[in-house]
Amino acid sequence: QLQLQESGPGLVKPSETLSLTCSVSGDSISSSSNYWGWIRQPPGKGLEWIGTTYYDGTTDYNPPLKSRTTISVDTPNNQFSLNLSSVTAADTAVYFCARRGFKNGWHVFDSWGQGTQVTVSS
Amino acid sequence: DIQMTQSPSTLSASVGDRVTITCRASLSISSWLAWYQQKPGKAPKLLIYKASNLESGVPSRFSGSGSGTEFTLTISSLQPDDFATYYCQQYDSYPYTFGQGTKLEIK
Repeated sequence: QLQLQESGPGLVKPSETLSLTCSVSGDSISSSSNYWGWIRQPPGKGLEWIGTTYYDGTTDYNPPLKSRTTISVDTPNNQFSLNLSSVTAADTAVYFCARRGFKNGWHVFDSWGQGTQVTVSS
Repeated sequence: DIQMTQSPSTLSASVGDRVTITCRASLSISSWLAWYQQKPGKAPKLLIYKASNLESGVPSRFSGSGSGTEFTLTISSLQPDDFATYYCQQYDSYPYTFGQGTKLEIK
């Protein structure tokens, strides 16, 4: 049974770096079959894709966030992480990690963590 | 970026109704479209991928259709558990983008 679990501080000060980790069980981060990604949801709003990583460290980021975002994989610990720098109140959101599994020709977000609330405030 | 537009934004319906939600892409995305269901305080759940493929474990009352720029999600007979918010998402090209969501409410 695949499970993803986000962890990290729930409160971050403006201008600091938001750091989250997604621990994966039931599948291997090192598998070439899947990608791994982060998505966020501001309060009362829709979903925004942040970025995606592959087991070899390849990454793709959403352009508006690219200059502030780093996603990396930690294969020995079967987890991947998100760093978002220079945060402002606009970065307050629930952050989800997710697996992009291969289904019928391409990769889709087929399994999600429960999400973690991050608030940016002094 | 490919813009995804859902309609309606809110839909009021009753148990047993047949409902349809539409998602339009600003550019052709072939069939690389997914539908998700989200309940308050929960993560999105994949319902449909590649426009019309039902995810394992999802009830058969859910179906998807379309290709190119216009897609639909249909629930054939609404059940109490179906009242939630639904999102479409294109995964044809980066940056991946979501529709703004359709909230399905009890009439």
